Amino acid sequence: NAGVTQTPKFRILKIGQSMTLQCTQDMNHNYMYWYRQDPGMGLKLIYYSVGAGITDKGEVPNGYNVSRSTTEDFPLRLELAAPSQTSVYFCASSQQENQPQHFGDGTRLSIL
Amino acid sequence: GQNIDQPTEMTATEGAIVQINCTYQTSGFNGLFWYQQHAGEAPTFLSYNVLDGLEEKGRFSSFLSRSKGYSYLLLKELQMKDSASYLCAPMDSNYQLIWGAGTKLIIKP
Repeated sequence: NAGVTQTPKFRILKIGQSMTLQCTQDMNHNYMYWYRQDPGMGLKLIYYSVGAGITDKGEVPNGYNVSRSTTEDFPLRLELAAPSQTSVYFCASSQQENQPQHFGDGTRLSIL
Repeated sequence: GQNIDQPTEMTATEGAIVQINCTYQTSGFNGLFWYQQHAGEAPTFLSYNVLDGLEEKGRFSSFLSRSKGYSYLLLKELQMKDSASYLCAPMDSNYQLIWGAGTKLIIKP
């Protein structure tokens, strides 16, 4: 009963490095989302996908890229990491757009 | 613009009842979600309202008034494990959730 799985759980990057945050779900959900959550702030949508092969920008897409080659996987790529990208990143999925989103445990990322 | 207004923090006593209010302004409306988020953990789904009125689910109830742009989450028989942040998230015309910063609820014995 895995649900949404994110790896890694923690990561420290140096400025200018790149990395990929992994997200996979085993619920056969069509919709997948990437959010970031900064202390004391609401979740901000980075990118989302309505199905394999389709991705769209959210509210804060700059500095990130995504792909959705399969229904299960929705990796988030950070190129040229910047201190402003220090945050907690959550991946979520839902069966339809107006149904509850199920969240992974998050990735805590620090850029130093 | 789109915005959410919730109290930043509330304190209540174990066994009591607490009501967490949320007012919102969105471009279109496709329902409102409430999520619970314990410190250091992921949000988990509590309730969804799309029509006006009260939805009851065990100790938790959620109310919606679309004309007033207002919702509340009612927690009864509070337990220590209910100490968490409660996130109000209306869905706009593009089916995107607009997330507030949440209300941190502190339960005291």
